[in-house]
Amino acid sequence: DIQMTQSPSSLSASVGDRVTITCRASQRIAGYLNWYQQKPGKAPKVLIYAASSLQSGVPSRFSGSGSGTDFSLTIDSLQPEDFATYYCQQSYSNPTFGQGTKLEIK
Amino acid sequence: QVQLVQSGAEVKKPGASVKVSCKASGYTFTSHHMHWVRQAPGQGLEWMGIINLSGGGTSYAQKFQGRITMTKDTSTSTVYMELSSLRSEDTAVYYCARLEKSPGSKYYFDHWGQGTPVTVSS
Repeated sequence: DIQMTQSPSSLSASVGDRVTITCRASQRIAGYLNWYQQKPGKAPKVLIYAASSLQSGVPSRFSGSGSGTDFSLTIDSLQPEDFATYYCQQSYSNPTFGQGTKLEIK
Repeated sequence: QVQLVQSGAEVKKPGASVKVSCKASGYTFTSHHMHWVRQAPGQGLEWMGIINLSGGGTSYAQKFQGRITMTKDTSTSTVYMELSSLRSEDTAVYYCARLEKSPGSKYYFDHWGQGTPVTVSS
């Protein structure tokens, strides 16, 4: 299985900040990388697919980049509703997820 | 609009089986594969397997081989996931998730069920 490693595991930030979460795959996965947001008690929601494509309806302050083994999710100008847990997921082979990054209010 | 509605919470004893359903609506049922993903309390997301809704073929994560079965009922647009020989470590929220294919032929989960909590306890 392809292992996905996210960093940091948790992050404190303030409304209006710019934050970046990174995800590293244990082998090259081209652009087969997706990002999800999950809020407590809710199902995950896709934000970015194919490394950099913004899912319909997702605010443009979310962006993704990367290829090969290293990827990142950036949130520009954090809003109160963005405080959640974020997961990366590879779809190059049987799906695997990163361990998650919990974004908390500072 | 696309909806995936799952069955309700379950409480099972160790060694028992659980069968969770996921009813799809708002799109052509057989046009997208369906996956199952689970999440133990306070933990991350774990992929369990896939069912091909046009052909019925399945593929399961190695960890669950031998005790997981995914099936479908096309007449009711419902998929099922049955997990047997339950143990306390199977306590989790179980999600169905629809697989979407991007224009560049990359795949992602675009719609999820609301989740079904399963508790395994004696």
